[in-house]
Amino acid sequence: AQSVTQLDSHVSVSEGTPVLLRCNYSSSYSPSLFWYVQHPNKGLQLLLKYTSAATLVKGINGFEAEFKKSETSFHLTKPSAHMSDAAEYFCVVSEGGGNKLTFGTGTQLKVEL
Amino acid sequence: NAGVTQTPKFQVLKTGQSMTLQCAQDMNHNSMYWYRQDPGMGLRLIYYSASEGTTDKGEVPNGYNVSRLNKREFSLRLESAAPSQTSVYFCASSLLATSTDTQYFGPGTRLTVL
Repeated sequence: AQSVTQLDSHVSVSEGTPVLLRCNYSSSYSPSLFWYVQHPNKGLQLLLKYTSAATLVKGINGFEAEFKKSETSFHLTKPSAHMSDAAEYFCVVSEGGGNKLTFGTGTQLKVEL
Repeated sequence: NAGVTQTPKFQVLKTGQSMTLQCAQDMNHNSMYWYRQDPGMGLRLIYYSASEGTTDKGEVPNGYNVSRLNKREFSLRLESAAPSQTSVYFCASSLLATSTDTQYFGPGTRLTVL
C-alpha cells in the first residue's frame, strides 16, 4: 500500500528566502511522485514529477525536488520565495496500474513581506 | 484548448436530492477520475475510468455512481445527497492509466448539502 506524509501543515517564509516543504512516502514498488500546487479556489496544477529517471527533478516556477530512496523522501525546495508562491502544496504518490493517486494532507505556504 | 472542464461550479442541494456533476476533457485522454477534497484530508479518489467503457471504484465510492459517456465525458451522480457529501469535487484526466502519467485537473465543483 502506498501513503504520503507531509510533515508540516503550515509553513511561513519571508519573500526572498528559501522554501522547504517536506514529504515522506511509503510504497511497496518503485513509485512515481508528484508535487501539485493549488491556489485559493482553483484547481490543481502540476509542479513537477519523478518517474525513476534523474533523482533531482526541476519543475515550473523555480521549484525542484530530490528523490531520496534511502530516506523515502521527496522534499520540495525553491531558493527564493515570491509572494505568488503562497498556496497549498500537495505531495502525491502513484504506483502500480490504474494511476490511482494517493495525496498527502497538504502544506499551506504563506509568504510574508 | 480548454483542458478539463466541470459544471456546475457551485451547487446547493437539500438532503435526499439527486444531481449529476459533469466533466469533459478535450485532450484526447483515455483515463478520467473523480476526487473529493475535504479540509485537512487532501484529495481522495471516488471512481475512475481507465479507458472508455470501463469504470472502477476508488477509495470512497459509497453514495456515488459514474458514467463514462464517451471518451471525452465522465459524469458523477449523487442519487440521494447527504450532508457528508458536502465537499469540493475535482475531475481529472490522463493520457494513460499508468503510474508515470500526469493527471490534469479541472477547476472543481463546490457542493453543499443542507
